[in-house]
Amino acid sequence: KNQVEQSPQSLIILEGKNCTLQCNYTVSPFSNLRWYKQDTGRGPVSLTIMTFSENTKSNGRYTATLDADTKQSSLHITASQLSDSASYICVVSAESNYQLIWGAGTKLIIKP
Amino acid sequence: NAGVTQTPKFQVLKTGQSMTLQCAQDMNHNSMYWYRQDPGMGLRLIYYSASEGTTDKGEVPNGYNVSRLNKREFSLRLESAAPSQTSVYFCASSERRHNSPLHFGNGTRLTVT
Repeated sequence: KNQVEQSPQSLIILEGKNCTLQCNYTVSPFSNLRWYKQDTGRGPVSLTIMTFSENTKSNGRYTATLDADTKQSSLHITASQLSDSASYICVVSAESNYQLIWGAGTKLIIKP
Repeated sequence: NAGVTQTPKFQVLKTGQSMTLQCAQDMNHNSMYWYRQDPGMGLRLIYYSASEGTTDKGEVPNGYNVSRLNKREFSLRLESAAPSQTSVYFCASSERRHNSPLHFGNGTRLTVT
């Protein structure tokens, strides 16, 4: 069964610190992996899309990594800011039917 | 550019009532989607429209209908609302069905009593 699991479920860190969020998936055949940021009360916003051949991709202070062999991805946030408080959602696309399988997200809280 | 606009933002229905959620995008995207988001779960696809004139069922289509009115607009209709349809509904669009990021509206929070 195609699944996307994210950890931790929630995370609290101090402003200025770094953090790493994890995503494991069992989607096959794999097409691409995406990370979205969702602020409270808003729709998700795309951060990155990574294909099989890409193992690192950055978007400002956000860096996503992909290990297609172990079916794991991580999202690293550098020098966190209060505005980084949000849910971060990992999404994997299946090659066969373009289906997107959504993780339940990691809720990140940045404290001053 | 407004991006993806959804109306209404909030709605309360009684069981059995009907309503239509409206969605419009101004990015000239070909594909549009309706998702629902429930606590502790990933987004689930209700229906999608890969291009103007086509619609297809997603994972959880029961109890819903859609209309792709034109390239810009994609509406979701609940014919007879049930408490299990209490959720936050998101409309999204993308340039292509595959390998394109989704652009989301800010959602409709629906409560069915």
